[in-house]
Amino acid sequence: GNSVTQMEGPVTLSEEAFLTINCTYTATGYPSLFWYVQYPGEGLQLLLKATKADDKGSNKGFEATYRKETTSFHLEKGSVQVSDSAVYFCALSSGTYKYIFGTGTRLKVLA
Amino acid sequence: NAGVTQTPKFRILKIGQSMTLQCTQDMNHNYMYWYRQDPGMGLKLIYYSVGAGITDKGEVPNGYNVSRSTTEDFPLRLELAAPSQTSVYFCASSYSMTGGSTDTQYFGPGTRLTVL
Repeated sequence: GNSVTQMEGPVTLSEEAFLTINCTYTATGYPSLFWYVQYPGEGLQLLLKATKADDKGSNKGFEATYRKETTSFHLEKGSVQVSDSAVYFCALSSGTYKYIFGTGTRLKVLA
Repeated sequence: NAGVTQTPKFRILKIGQSMTLQCTQDMNHNYMYWYRQDPGMGLKLIYYSVGAGITDKGEVPNGYNVSRSTTEDFPLRLELAAPSQTSVYFCASSYSMTGGSTDTQYFGPGTRLTVL
């Protein structure tokens, strides 16, 4: 069946450091891939998405490229800020309206 | 612009009690979902609905019931609460013309439920 695997956290970085959070997936067909972010005490909100191979999603300085050959959708940001501290979820949706979420990666950015 | 709202924000139940978690969206979305989020785990789909009057089970439906009498509301009912239902519950909605896989889901702020 479909699944999403993302790196375990927590990830602790200093402000202005480079961020990578790895996400790989297993799916039949041609899934859409998403990154959601959850700030403390809030629900999830869409950060970016890509709907076909080689697409790059981007938002708020974050980027992720849909790599079909490596079945990956790694999240990157060149310079993190304290305000980026949150939990990040990788997710996929394949052929239906139902999502599969990863377990989440907690990011803590220190000033 | 409220989006997806959930009530209550927090609740403590005793074993065997029942309650209803409320979810309302004002975006005229046709799809609605209930998830639970356990510590260190991803979100698990409990129930979903593709429109008023239509609901279906997700991954972990046991111990829960839903109804969808209007487009806006999608309440989740817990009968005979058990400690295993201690979790954070999220309601979400999306709009789709075709039920496709590209749709963005919009989440409510969550309800933190503890069963003692």
